Amino acid sequence: GEDVEQSLFLSVREGDSSVINCTYTDSSSTYLYWYKQEPGAGLQLLTYIFSNMDMKQDQRLTVLLNKKDKHLSLRIADTQTGDSAIYFCAVQATGGGNKLTFGTGTQLKVEL
Amino acid sequence: ETGVTQTPRHLVMGMTNKKSLKCEQHLGHNAMYWYKQSAKKPLELMFVYSLEERVENNSVPSRFSPECPNSSHLFLHLHTLQPEDSALYLCASSPAGTGGFNEQFFGPGTRLTVL
Repeated sequence: GEDVEQSLFLSVREGDSSVINCTYTDSSSTYLYWYKQEPGAGLQLLTYIFSNMDMKQDQRLTVLLNKKDKHLSLRIADTQTGDSAIYFCAVQATGGGNKLTFGTGTQLKVEL
Repeated sequence: ETGVTQTPRHLVMGMTNKKSLKCEQHLGHNAMYWYKQSAKKPLELMFVYSLEERVENNSVPSRFSPECPNSSHLFLHLHTLQPEDSALYLCASSPAGTGGFNEQFFGPGTRLTVL
């Protein structure tokens, strides 16, 4: 089955850019998602990219997809303390129906 | 109530107890999911229901028993759990689909501790 890997922790200073990385194994992945989980809450969709795209930008968020290397990244520009959360990468594969495969989540800590 | 709600938010139970987790969605969705979130592990899909029919059971031990009486409600019945079952249990819902864009909406989770 699909494997999705992320590093567990990332620490950045306020105002810097954050880059959260994700690798996956299934080359037939169609949609790739980034979810955000704030303390005490469930996951909330942050952004997503379709597999025929290389990049998607949405305000401070930039998603990059390298299909050859099966690598997905999320860049947060001008990171703020309110961005501190756990960020999950999720992948949806062709033929998987509604199923999403999630990574471990990356805990982003923003320091002053 | 809006979105996806879960009760209780916290649960402590002994290994011989029987308890149930409840999830309710107010979004008109037809697919519902149970996930297990443990520290340092990938978010683990347990069960998927689509139009009240179980369509996925990811090799979950029989001490976890799901129930979906209608498209708005999902239960997870627990019995004879082990301490390693302690985790955050998340419920999610989405419009039923066949592989297109699938945004899932999550509840806040039930923090389960098994003593």
